[in-house]
Amino acid sequence: DTGVSQDPRHKITKRGQNVTFRCDPISEHNRLYWYRQTLGQGPEFLTYFQNEAQLEKSRLLSDRFSAERPKGSFSTLEIQRTEQGDSAMYLCASSPRTRTDTQYFGPGTRLTVL
Amino acid sequence: SQQGEEDPQALSIQEGENATMNCSYKTSINNLQWYRQNSGRGLVHLILIRSNEREKHSGRLRVTLDTSKKSSSLLITASRAADTASYFCARNYEKLTFGTGTRLTIIP
Repeated sequence: DTGVSQDPRHKITKRGQNVTFRCDPISEHNRLYWYRQTLGQGPEFLTYFQNEAQLEKSRLLSDRFSAERPKGSFSTLEIQRTEQGDSAMYLCASSPRTRTDTQYFGPGTRLTVL
Repeated sequence: SQQGEEDPQALSIQEGENATMNCSYKTSINNLQWYRQNSGRGLVHLILIRSNEREKHSGRLRVTLDTSKKSSSLLITASRAADTASYFCARNYEKLTFGTGTRLTIIP
């Protein structure tokens, strides 16, 4: 069990640039979640997938954000035209088919928008 | 938006003492979960308590749930320096909704 991995761990970008993050869930976990966490706050739900289907999106996920999970394995989260307010930790989690109520989190990608 | 509130926001205790953190929530739950987060790292699942359970234990952790008051508490007994972290409760109803967290500092 290698755990959930995220890449990159840190990203510094200039305002207006596009960024893409990757999440590799635990093998054979069919659900994958994205959260955003700002300093001093708890994680906030963004979206989740069951296999390749995106089942729910938070209103926090503006039209500049897009997430995909094309083959039902890894997922990408893209932010277009980044803004300073996008600076946060982006966390990915996965859960197994037999235990969807327990999520296993990756280490996160810390985004800093200058 | 976050629907849970942890209390206190920050807690400092001496090593060996017990730490109690409380969590309140506003809407229905299937279960309530507690997570730990070390500074700048991902979250680690600690314990899950279902809506029909009142108390659960795991090692030095004890969680209680009062659905009538929409509240839960996490007790860490015989605290250790390694317990220093932020602790979050999360209401689970299809997805996790986290509270604002308690920052726990254990003083050696």
